[in-house]
Amino acid sequence: QKEVEQDPGPLSVPEGAIVSLNCTYSNSAFQYFMWYRQYSRKGPELLMYTYSSGNKEDGRFTAQVDKSSKYISLFIRDSQPSDSATYLCAMKETSYDKVIFGPGTSLSVIP
Amino acid sequence: NAGVTQTPKFRVLKTGQSMTLLCAQDMNHEYMYWYRQDPGMGLRLIHYSVGEGTTAKGEVPDGYNVSRLKKQNFLLGLESAAPSQTSVYFCASSLSQVGGGTQYFGPGTRLLVL
Repeated sequence: QKEVEQDPGPLSVPEGAIVSLNCTYSNSAFQYFMWYRQYSRKGPELLMYTYSSGNKEDGRFTAQVDKSSKYISLFIRDSQPSDSATYLCAMKETSYDKVIFGPGTSLSVIP
Repeated sequence: NAGVTQTPKFRVLKTGQSMTLLCAQDMNHEYMYWYRQDPGMGLRLIHYSVGEGTTAKGEVPDGYNVSRLKKQNFLLGLESAAPSQTSVYFCASSLSQVGGGTQYFGPGTRLLVL
């Protein structure tokens, strides 16, 4: 079993839809949770960062962590074609640990 | 600021050949990383550095060597390339590891080993 799992997709939604992207993980010691966005043929860029459980909102994006279920989510409201990318979840145990990335979910927002 | 740059962007090697990938950052970051990205596998850490003159092994270090002689540069070497090293290689840097430790990635190097 991989340490961090994501549905690879591709996920295709119409413009304006609410998108839910999810990751499950097996290591209960993870405390830091990140979402990176990667456009085609580009390097990943940090989208959101959350510590421990709870929600965090930034514009159209909301990150949610449920440590009891070992499950994290990224919600995108009013999705735009420019949101079409691969979304990688990432996590680590402590500040000084290495980051473990999920395999990514490919999202396509259709105009 | 150019951020993180990688050279070359694309390379084809024959089995057994050697090459060096260059990563440069102009953000004065202490930490630098080399990852490989393969379909369905996500980003896997090859080697990393916590400062000039230091290197450490990551998750998949076999077949690779690294050097960080200058703070702004992090080199990844393949001594004898194998088809299993066909991948997209990303370099990243971060100012610190505190909290999420935001990593800034380069554009990637696509390597094909025949």
